Amino acid sequence: EPEVTQTPSHQVTQMGQEVILRCVPISNHLYFYWYRQILGQKVEFLVSFYNNEISEKSEIFDDQFSVERPDGSNFTLKIRSTKLEDSAMYFCASSVTVPGNTIYFGEGSWLTVV
Amino acid sequence: GENVEQHPSTLSVQEGDSAVIKCTYSDSASNYFPWYKQELGKGPQLIIDIRSNVGEKKDQRIAVTLNKTAKHFSLHITETQPEDSAVYFCAASDTGTASKLTFGTGTRLQVTL
Repeated sequence: EPEVTQTPSHQVTQMGQEVILRCVPISNHLYFYWYRQILGQKVEFLVSFYNNEISEKSEIFDDQFSVERPDGSNFTLKIRSTKLEDSAMYFCASSVTVPGNTIYFGEGSWLTVV
Repeated sequence: GENVEQHPSTLSVQEGDSAVIKCTYSDSASNYFPWYKQELGKGPQLIIDIRSNVGEKKDQRIAVTLNKTAKHFSLHITETQPEDSAVYFCAASDTGTASKLTFGTGTRLQVTL
């Protein structure tokens, strides 16, 4: 069964450093997402991406964050100047096409900022 | 924006019993309601979803009901098994204007032998 794959599974970074989280969405999907989950809390929407541009973003997704689809298969989340409160599990997700289709999540990338 | 409330936060049932998890939403424009199961250290896995033009949907031991008037929807798991133990999240989305899911706070289900 096709799945969303994410790398790395776990990354530890020092405060102030930049991190890039990578995702390979399901191959025929056109909508891509990033969500995050702080330990013990609910999953929160960060951003959606369609047709090579941001479709929607939350208030969490400020100038510290950016997304990119550098090639035909990868989808990345860049976090600049990481802060302690950025420590969370970051989930990439994708759906076939327009909103309303089933959204499939990856296994997540656990980011620890020290 | 949408706000989704979920209850209970924890639920313990004996194997074979039924489990019910309830969610309410605030935005009457929401029309898509998926349920996700999350096992420890893994990503949310879709188990069932329902759209606003349907009042109930069933898939083997899992069913979801939707009451649009009251703005609440529920997950029902019958004949629970130990492997059903996980955190369950409800979510809501207005597929006409938004691409995002708003999640509930999660329910930790423990199925005991």
